[in-house]
Amino acid sequence: GESVGLHLPTLSVQEGDNSIINCAYSNSASDYFIWYKQESGKGPQFIIDIRSNMDKRQGQRVTVLLNKTVKHLSLQIAATQPGDSAVYFCAETQSIYNQGGKLIFGQGTELSVKP
Amino acid sequence: DTEVTQTPKHLVMGMTNKKSLKCEQHMGHRAMYWYKQKAKKPPELMFVYSYEKLSINESVPSRFSPECPNSSLLNLHLHALQPEDSALYLCASSQESGTGHSDQPQHFGDGTRLSIL
Repeated sequence: GESVGLHLPTLSVQEGDNSIINCAYSNSASDYFIWYKQESGKGPQFIIDIRSNMDKRQGQRVTVLLNKTVKHLSLQIAATQPGDSAVYFCAETQSIYNQGGKLIFGQGTELSVKP
Repeated sequence: DTEVTQTPKHLVMGMTNKKSLKCEQHMGHRAMYWYKQKAKKPPELMFVYSYEKLSINESVPSRFSPECPNSSLLNLHLHALQPEDSALYLCASSQESGTGHSDQPQHFGDGTRLSIL
């Protein structure tokens, strides 16, 4: 079936280093992608999104790259901080006309930042 | 703090009880969602409401009954749940883009942690 998956389940980085979290998706019809951060005891928090007509989008300390040719999505976090420690989920939206979006999440990567 | 408010934060109930989970947003979003999340797993979609009408039911058992009383509120009524229904239940909302396609991010509450005895 259709799926969104991650290459690495866990990632440990040193404070100040850059982090890269990868994600593969299989539905070529997906046209909107989102990265979420989920801290313990909280709901997923929106980080950044990208539409399929773009290949790169930058936010504050974060960059999302989309490669539609190989169906790959990545999240780059610059100068990683201890507060970035969390589980990160990529998600693709399968849009259903006038019925809201069906969000399909990847399995998640746990990012651990060492001080 | 999240702009989607869910109550209660924790709920413990027996298999014969009836309870309700509540979700509220005041961002003017016209799409609202219920998700179920088990430990160490991603959220799984249960229901989607668009303009207060149920638009997607992901084959959820009838012991879960959603309700959207108005554009700001979303309820999930629970009855005769099973121990395997213990999970974090997340509510989310999103803005309709006006194109009919969903290309706006979903914003999540912090969930209700449900335990079935």
